[in-house]
Amino acid sequence: DIVMTQSPLSLPVTPGEPASMSCRSSQHLMHSDGYNYLDWYLQKPGQSPQLLVYLGSNRASGVPDRFSGDISGTNFTLKISRVEAEDVGLYYCMQVLHTPFTFGGGTKVEIK
Amino acid sequence: EVQLLESGGDLVQPGGSLRLSCEVSGFTFSAFAMSWVRQAPGKGLEWVSGIAGTGGATYYAESVEGRFTISRDNSKNTLYLQMTSLRAEDTAVYYCAKWRDLDFWTALNGFDMWGQGTMVTVSS
Repeated sequence: DIVMTQSPLSLPVTPGEPASMSCRSSQHLMHSDGYNYLDWYLQKPGQSPQLLVYLGSNRASGVPDRFSGDISGTNFTLKISRVEAEDVGLYYCMQVLHTPFTFGGGTKVEIK
Repeated sequence: EVQLLESGGDLVQPGGSLRLSCEVSGFTFSAFAMSWVRQAPGKGLEWVSGIAGTGGATYYAESVEGRFTISRDNSKNTLYLQMTSLRAEDTAVYYCAKWRDLDFWTALNGFDMWGQGTMVTVSS
């Protein structure tokens, strides 16, 4: 199985400041179509997960443009340009190249 | 409005069985692959199983292979998860999630809609 490793475990943030979190895969996630099959989800407290970014760097519909995803080999980064209070929650990366699909352990974003 | 409504969660004894349902509305159910994803209390997300829009292909996590069966009835807009030989470690909230395409390996990537979840507790 592909192992997804997220860091940090916890990310205290200041509203208005940038934030960044990482996800590393144990294997490459590039499909034959040239895309990296890596998605990012946010689970706000008490809610179901929501899709933020797909294929490593594409914002999902309705996601604010302060969220962006970067790709460098097997390292993936989710960035928030200016954190807002509503961004708190657990962020998960997920590989969908091979079954079983696997999630990272999550990064908890909280306000300082 | 797109809606996914899970049901069927319950308290069940180890070794028991349970069938979860996810009734959807607001989109053409047969055109999209679906999955079940679970979350144990206080833990992270775990993908459990997936099924193509046609129902012709199914996929499982190793932890549930041989014990769980995913299926769908496109005429009833409903996704199912039949769970047998349940174990304490199957205790979790089970979410159904809609994929963005008919099958999983396309550029229309990601689970864009999720239900609110149904709780399964396996305990004696």
